[in-house]
Amino acid sequence: DSGVTQTPKHLITATGQRVTLRCSPRSGDLSVYWYQQSLDQGLQFLIQYYNGEERAKGNILERFSAQQFPDLHSELNLSSLELGDSALYFCASSVGMTGGVNTEAFFGQGTRLTVV
Amino acid sequence: KNQVEQSPQSLIILEGKNCTLQCNYTVSPFSNLRWYKQDTGRGPVSLTIMTFSENTKSNGRYTATLDADTKQSSLHITASQLSDSASYICVVSVVLDMRFGAGTRLTVKP
Repeated sequence: DSGVTQTPKHLITATGQRVTLRCSPRSGDLSVYWYQQSLDQGLQFLIQYYNGEERAKGNILERFSAQQFPDLHSELNLSSLELGDSALYFCASSVGMTGGVNTEAFFGQGTRLTVV
Repeated sequence: KNQVEQSPQSLIILEGKNCTLQCNYTVSPFSNLRWYKQDTGRGPVSLTIMTFSENTKSNGRYTATLDADTKQSSLHITASQLSDSASYICVVSVVLDMRFGAGTRLTVKP
C-alpha cells in the first residue's frame, strides 16, 4: 500500500458526460501529480500541484481540469468525455518537487475510466 | 520524440535467467533517474532511484546503473522469477515533473 488513495477504482460513463476523479495523497506529501495511461501505452503526465498551486502542466486537454484543495486532496475533472478518454488515471504524491534529490513519488492504484 | 527511450519494447525470458533493460534519455539537466515496476492494472512501484552522481544502485535482484555522460541507464534483473513479469518504466526527473519512458514489458516464463 503506497498510502495514496484514489477513488473510484472503476468508472463507466457515456460519451459527453463529466466525471470527477479523486486523489488523497500520502500524509505529509505536498505534491500531487496526475497521469493518464491508455491501453498498452506509457504514462502521460497531465498536471502537477504543489501545496494547492498548479506547478507544471503536461499534455492535458482543455476538457480536463484539476485542483488541489487546502487539505491537499486533489480532483481531476474530465468533461465532454470521448471514447478515446478511456484509460487508467493515476495519481502520485511526493513530499516536495520530484526534482529534489531522492524525493520519492508514490502512486495510487489508479481509476479505470471506461467511456461507452 | 520522447525524451526517455526504453528498449526493448518487450522481452520474454525463462525463469531463472538474467536480463538487462535499457533506458536512454535526452532530458537535461536532470535531477534523478528512477526505475519503476508496474504490474498490469496497478500503480508503478519504485525499484531504484539514482542521482546524477551515482553509478549503480541495487535492490535485491534488481541492479540499476547510470552513465550520466552518455545519458544511459540500465536495469539488470538477476535470477528472474515469474513475479518479475511486469512493465519496467524508466523515469527521469527534472525540476518540476517526471518524464516517463514507454516501458519494457517483461514476461518470465516457467
